[in-house]
Amino acid sequence: DSGVTQTPKHLITATGQRVTLRCSPRSGDLSVYWYQQSLDQGLQFLIQYYNGEERAKGNILERFSAQQFPDLHSELNLSSLELGDSALYFCASSEQGASYNEQFFGPGTRLTVL
Amino acid sequence: DAKTTQPTSMDCAEGRAANLPCNHSTISGNEYVYWYRQIHSQGPQYIIHGLKNNETNEMASLIITEDRKSSTLILPHATLRDTAVYYCIVQPANFGNEKLTFGTGTRLTIIP
Repeated sequence: DSGVTQTPKHLITATGQRVTLRCSPRSGDLSVYWYQQSLDQGLQFLIQYYNGEERAKGNILERFSAQQFPDLHSELNLSSLELGDSALYFCASSEQGASYNEQFFGPGTRLTVL
Repeated sequence: DAKTTQPTSMDCAEGRAANLPCNHSTISGNEYVYWYRQIHSQGPQYIIHGLKNNETNEMASLIITEDRKSSTLILPHATLRDTAVYYCIVQPANFGNEKLTFGTGTRLTIIP
């Protein structure tokens, strides 16, 4: 158990809909990362938040947005869903100030868009 | 970030040492080598990292060549639970640039 929790585990929805994925980082970790894993694209970094502020952005679509709340949990919002958004979405957290970059990953949310 | 090259797949007999190679010929002086693994759709798991010295922890050993252009992850006594995709990642350990760039990794299968 990494200490990172993600809800829900599975999500099935229809095209055009909007969903919210939730992540609770390990206690004390200030950074939260979101990754997407699809069959054709592999594991891809989407976005990073540090202590409530956006830190880095990767291949995140404009239809997707994220935020990190004062209690450090994070939400990833996916809107106008398309079939191609079906994927595993992982959240990870890390402790800032460490001399290396060990990220702790949650179990993921499997999104299926029908 | 430096690019890495790994074999697509490898097999290893249970109980033997699994040696997973990684080439990173364009690595820069400030870039670390990280290894993560992913067991069947679970979240990736950190294994080990290093800069230029060999490293060992409870999970594995990391051997980095003197020129730092390649490295080998060693699982000393592989078990069936080590069957996973192993990712070699090279990137600087700078604050503000901590995203992990995953390649395709090596699918390691431990044979009973």
